[in-house]
Amino acid sequence: SAVISQKPSRDICQRGTSLTIQCQVDSQVTMMFWYRQQPGQSLTLIATANQGSEATYESGFVIDKFPISRPNLTFSTLTVSNMSPEDSSIYLCSVPYGVADTQYFGPGTRLTVL
Amino acid sequence: GENVEQHPSTLSVQEGDSAVIKCTYSDSASNYFPWYKQELGKGPQLIIDIRSNVGEKKDQRIAVTLNKTAKHFSLHITETQPEDSAVYFCAPGDDKIIFGKGTRLHILP
Repeated sequence: SAVISQKPSRDICQRGTSLTIQCQVDSQVTMMFWYRQQPGQSLTLIATANQGSEATYESGFVIDKFPISRPNLTFSTLTVSNMSPEDSSIYLCSVPYGVADTQYFGPGTRLTVL
Repeated sequence: GENVEQHPSTLSVQEGDSAVIKCTYSDSASNYFPWYKQELGKGPQLIIDIRSNVGEKKDQRIAVTLNKTAKHFSLHITETQPEDSAVYFCAPGDDKIIFGKGTRLHILP
């Protein structure tokens, strides 16, 4: 299995500021995904982080608001920019790994914007 | 894109009874059908999955059945225990998975 860690685990931020979330995987993986889970809701895919190229964003999500870096095959960052209270969510990274490309998830970053 | 529906949204069962959660999807190209369990304060964890060339898979008290023609798959939990209380998500797809809205399962003592 793939072991995924995220930093920070939680944060409380002021509106208008930005927060960068880190995702570290213990193995090299081709694809990494970033999800948002709003309180009491399901997971929504934000973007696919591609190594060596720009991230691919899903409908409703834009690079200016959620810039993503993917400097190597084990690491990615997601920045939540110019935050508002509506950005309060859990942000999760995930990777497909193994022969069957099983999807593994990080523990999540719980963000509260005041 | 994939349209995923999950039923029921909430399910309460007596401890020891069985629980069944159903997921329907729209993309006939989907060939990967996982179920995730999410406990409070944690990320989703894969509990069982099935590929499109198989109709049923079982792992102890948990099973998944797939009807590709009807485009639905179900999670079956037998002999439910208190620790089965959680939110369960289906997430059909392939390279990219789309989550259902989730089912909150309560196991009653």
